[in-house]
Amino acid sequence: DAGITQSPRHKVTETGTPVTLRCHQTENHRYMYWYRQDPGHGLRLIHYSYGVKDTDKGEVSDGYSVSRSKTEDFLLTLESATSSQTSVYFCAISGAANQPQHFGDGTRLSIL
Amino acid sequence: RKEVEQDPGPFNVPEGATVAFNCTYSNSASQSFFWYRQDCRKEPKLLMSVYSSGNEDGRFTAQLNRASQYISLLIRDSKLSDSATYLCVVNMRRRDDKIIFGKGTRLHILP
Repeated sequence: DAGITQSPRHKVTETGTPVTLRCHQTENHRYMYWYRQDPGHGLRLIHYSYGVKDTDKGEVSDGYSVSRSKTEDFLLTLESATSSQTSVYFCAISGAANQPQHFGDGTRLSIL
Repeated sequence: RKEVEQDPGPFNVPEGATVAFNCTYSNSASQSFFWYRQDCRKEPKLLMSVYSSGNEDGRFTAQLNRASQYISLLIRDSKLSDSATYLCVVNMRRRDDKIIFGKGTRLHILP
């Protein structure tokens, strides 16, 4: 399995609080992605990174920010969490944009 | 037309049967195609890439039809453990490469 670690695996927090999710990889892959998955919507891309300090928005980026200061780490931040951001969040990595992505185990986030 | 479209199912199939899924895509310039499998409450996992000439991995066969812009996945001699959601993934070649995931087809193998 690809070396991808997401933390935390589960989190419950309150509306209005900041939340940061971490994705750590040991594969030295250039591309890293954050998705959310909700019933009826499938996987939706939030943000992705194509190198250190190089990031771009996905289709559902509002309310989320990301940072990548090192090749191995990609952070997803919810500045002020809302209940609509309750979801399962997956990190993925790939060596190139047209190569298959490999996913972490996911983070289950509940915003009360 | 949606960029990547799959029949959501569920497909309820008896054990041992053969089942096939199709996935259509909108961008004729797409170059890379993949099938993923996702078990309930788990991460998606790469099942197989889809090559122009078609490819087979054990009981699984993937095919690409560029003229009609669809890919297919065939599962022979289905097992209970094949029950999962199967995601079609297409690399859209536009200004930049963009991977698009289908919403998935749910498969239930019945004993």
